[in-house]
Amino acid sequence: EVQLLESGGGLVQPGGSLRLSCAASGFTFSSYAMSWVRQAPGKGLDWVSTITTNGGSTSFADSVKGRFTISRDNSKNTLYLQMNSLRAEDTAVYYCASRYNSGGKVCFDYWGQGTLVTVSS
Amino acid sequence: EIVLTQSPGTLSLSPGERATLSCRASQSVNSNYLAWYQQKPGQAPRLLIYGASSRATGIPDRFSGSGSGTDFTLTISRLEPEDFAVYYCQQFGSSPLYTFGQGTKLEIK
Repeated sequence: EVQLLESGGGLVQPGGSLRLSCAASGFTFSSYAMSWVRQAPGKGLDWVSTITTNGGSTSFADSVKGRFTISRDNSKNTLYLQMNSLRAEDTAVYYCASRYNSGGKVCFDYWGQGTLVTVSS
Repeated sequence: EIVLTQSPGTLSLSPGERATLSCRASQSVNSNYLAWYQQKPGQAPRLLIYGASSRATGIPDRFSGSGSGTDFTLTISRLEPEDFAVYYCQQFGSSPLYTFGQGTKLEIK
């Protein structure tokens, strides 16, 4: 059974930092690009960042570019999101998701349950 | 940047009825890159449809997707009580890499 388990969320002051982790199991983690998607309270889904299978390429939404870093450790089947210079508008549930890509069709096939990040003084 | 606009914002229907949800893109989208997700309160999104019309594993056949270019549709042929949720379309593009529609809330009438 595929499982994605996020951790590391919590309350942080504006300007602070937080590192999220996503532990994967039940599939060959190193074969999948991985992403972070967030959802502010009562709002829709918002893509944050994606990393390729070997970590060689990363992409970020403009809203987090220069502040967030995505990385992965394939030996530990774990995805990370380092969040610096946090702002109130970064408050959200953060989901990790695996990217399905077969036959040219792309989507997020599995999602974790999310971890809540609250940025507030 | 491609913007996805979903309509209606809220759809009120009864179990057993047919639901038709729309996702319109501001520019043409490759059908291979169009997906639909279902999200229930307090839960993570769940993949329903990918490649505009392919059902994900375990998704009942009352869910179907169609469309091309700028207009895509998610149809639920006969609503079950568990289908009342929020539905999002998503596209994979260039910059930003992924965008989501704002969602359609399907509520019980």
